[in-house]
Amino acid sequence: QSVLTQPPSASGTPGQKVTISCSANTSNFGRNYVYWFQQLPGTAPKLLIFRNNQRPTGVPDRVSGSKSGTSASLAISGLRSEDEADYYCAAWDDSLSGNYVFGTGTKVTVL
Amino acid sequence: QLQLQESGPGQVKPSETLSLTCTVSGDSISRNNYYWGWIRQPPGKGLEWIASIYSSGSTYYNPSLKSRVTISVDTSKNQFSLKVTSVTAADTAVYYCANAIGGPVDWFGPWGQGTLVTVSS
Repeated sequence: QSVLTQPPSASGTPGQKVTISCSANTSNFGRNYVYWFQQLPGTAPKLLIFRNNQRPTGVPDRVSGSKSGTSASLAISGLRSEDEADYYCAAWDDSLSGNYVFGTGTKVTVL
Repeated sequence: QLQLQESGPGQVKPSETLSLTCTVSGDSISRNNYYWGWIRQPPGKGLEWIASIYSSGSTYYNPSLKSRVTISVDTSKNQFSLKVTSVTAADTAVYYCANAIGGPVDWFGPWGQGTLVTVSS
């Protein structure tokens, strides 16, 4: 079963770029798309990136995603105070019975 | 505008069954390519996908929860539901219902605000 590991925290000052990694423990991850979610305090998660690097309508282009092999990354440039949130990667794990797995989550703090 | 709202008891006793309903407004639950699902989040912890369903009745489950979980849809009421049997303290979480478009876990649509369910005697 896939486990998606993220750093527990990341931080930056306004205007800086922060990058969050998402690392899988199985090769299945390499075949499947990665999704990224933002969860502001006390709210439901919101989709930020789909299919590795696509942004839904309304997500600014200072948010970007990438994937290579069993790792993926989310980058937020021009950091703003409103970016302070928890971020989760996610992917379908098609081993065994199939499962949709979320990453361990990263808390981004804007200093 | 599509909106989702969870409802159900805020507290369930250990070993009993947790039952939640998600009411969909602003569109038909039977809309083509729309899937519906449940995701939960224990207090202070990460997200866990529970299950998804299509209006035709096709279901998709997290293998680790499948033996205790049932997801169903009631098209006449524009609602879908979740049941979790034999609950323990580990099932204490905020439960979100959500809309997926194009696939059972393509969470392009809105989420409900979430409802906290506490398992306690």
